[in-house]
Amino acid sequence: DVKVTQSSRYLVKRTGEKVFLECVQDMDHENMFWYRQDPGLGLRLIYFSYDVKMKEKGDIPEGYSVSREKKERFSLILESASTNQTSMYLCASSPVQGAGSHSPLHFGNGTRLTVT
Amino acid sequence: AQKITQTQPGMFVQEKEAVTLDCTYDTSDPSYGLFWYKQPSSGEMIFLIYQGSYDQQNATEGRYSLNFQKARKSANLVISASQLGDSAMYFCAMRGGRGSTLGRLYFGRGTQLTVWP
Repeated sequence: DVKVTQSSRYLVKRTGEKVFLECVQDMDHENMFWYRQDPGLGLRLIYFSYDVKMKEKGDIPEGYSVSREKKERFSLILESASTNQTSMYLCASSPVQGAGSHSPLHFGNGTRLTVT
Repeated sequence: AQKITQTQPGMFVQEKEAVTLDCTYDTSDPSYGLFWYKQPSSGEMIFLIYQGSYDQQNATEGRYSLNFQKARKSANLVISASQLGDSAMYFCAMRGGRGSTLGRLYFGRGTQLTVWP
């Protein structure tokens, strides 16, 4: 089974802090993703990466950056945390594929971040 | 742009009954895939079922089936014989796009399903 591990389940940070959310996958997947989940808004893509050192902005990249130095690890960085970044963050991975591919995204268990 | 719409914020169903969760999508790509995920209160995202745009038959996985109507751009999830453990948030998602955006999923806002005894 594919395993996607997020380093923290719950995190509480103060406004202005630099925050790192870590994600590791063990299936040699090329693609990795960071989504944010808020009630009533579903999952929104922040950033994704299709190869080491490659990254693409998703739909809501403002206030975030990412790092992918190794294939198995994809980090989400909040340079200066703000209260409106309080949310559930979900990491996912998948092999490289075409638009019609049946391969699902494999998700981690999520990190619930609270910024006070 | 790809778009997924789930119009039912909440649904209620009695145990052992069937329930349909609605999902419509919008895309101009000829090739795409449609997915349903379940998210229990514990938070993990569980993949349920997939339908490809060129698949001739509706997908089925155990008690889950996907009512795919391509002309209407709808991909409704049908859960038969509901169980209390089916109570969860359900997300419809679509894969499509071109180039480097291949592989990402676009999600709807979700439907909270509650199964009562």
